[in-house]
Amino acid sequence: LAKTTQPISMDSYEGQEVNITCSHNNIATNDYITWYQQFPSQGPRFIIQGYKTKVTNEVASLFIPADRKSSTLSLPRVSLSDTAVYYCLVDPKGVQYNFNKFYFGSGTKLNVKP
Amino acid sequence: GAVVSQHPSRVICKSGTSVKIECRSLDFQATTMFWYRQFPKKSLMLMATSNEGSKATYEQGVEKDKFLINHASLTLSTLTVTSAHPEDSSFYICSAREASGSPDTQYFGPGTRLTVL
Repeated sequence: LAKTTQPISMDSYEGQEVNITCSHNNIATNDYITWYQQFPSQGPRFIIQGYKTKVTNEVASLFIPADRKSSTLSLPRVSLSDTAVYYCLVDPKGVQYNFNKFYFGSGTKLNVKP
Repeated sequence: GAVVSQHPSRVICKSGTSVKIECRSLDFQATTMFWYRQFPKKSLMLMATSNEGSKATYEQGVEKDKFLINHASLTLSTLTVTSAHPEDSSFYICSAREASGSPDTQYFGPGTRLTVL
């Protein structure tokens, strides 16, 4: 299973765009990249998922280069409420779903300052 | 989006007792559910994969007789911590995979805080 590496922490200010990069050098052909957000004492919340190029939804964008060995989560105009831990995960897709396990890395603690 | 619930949200028990935690997928059927444990300021650690109608598969180092998992229906999985001890105190989180959803990924419950005295 592909391992992910992210910065341990990042600081930002309200209103700024934040980009969090994740490396996944051993990603497999069938793997997707999925990002989650977690607040203290809560379960992770799905943010976005992608396979290649760019994906955008109402809360974030995900950029994935052609070699797919890294990905960047982009949060536009962050607010104080975006202070959380962000996890990048390699999401294996397969015929047998019981193999679609997640192994969480350390995540990135984003601290948004006023 | 897919919603997963857990019950109870927090539980305090005495050492030696057993505690059951329920995980439900509210608006979808989940053939596979997962159980995680998270210690303070640490990442989530996968404990086991729960498959409806079959035995759970446990990650290396997780005692299957200590953490009993039952996935009796397509919407319910339970985790029972048997003979709990203070070192079992942790935040337990379940997730469910919505196979027919878009996207096809895991959706997490709100977690259960277990404190063993």
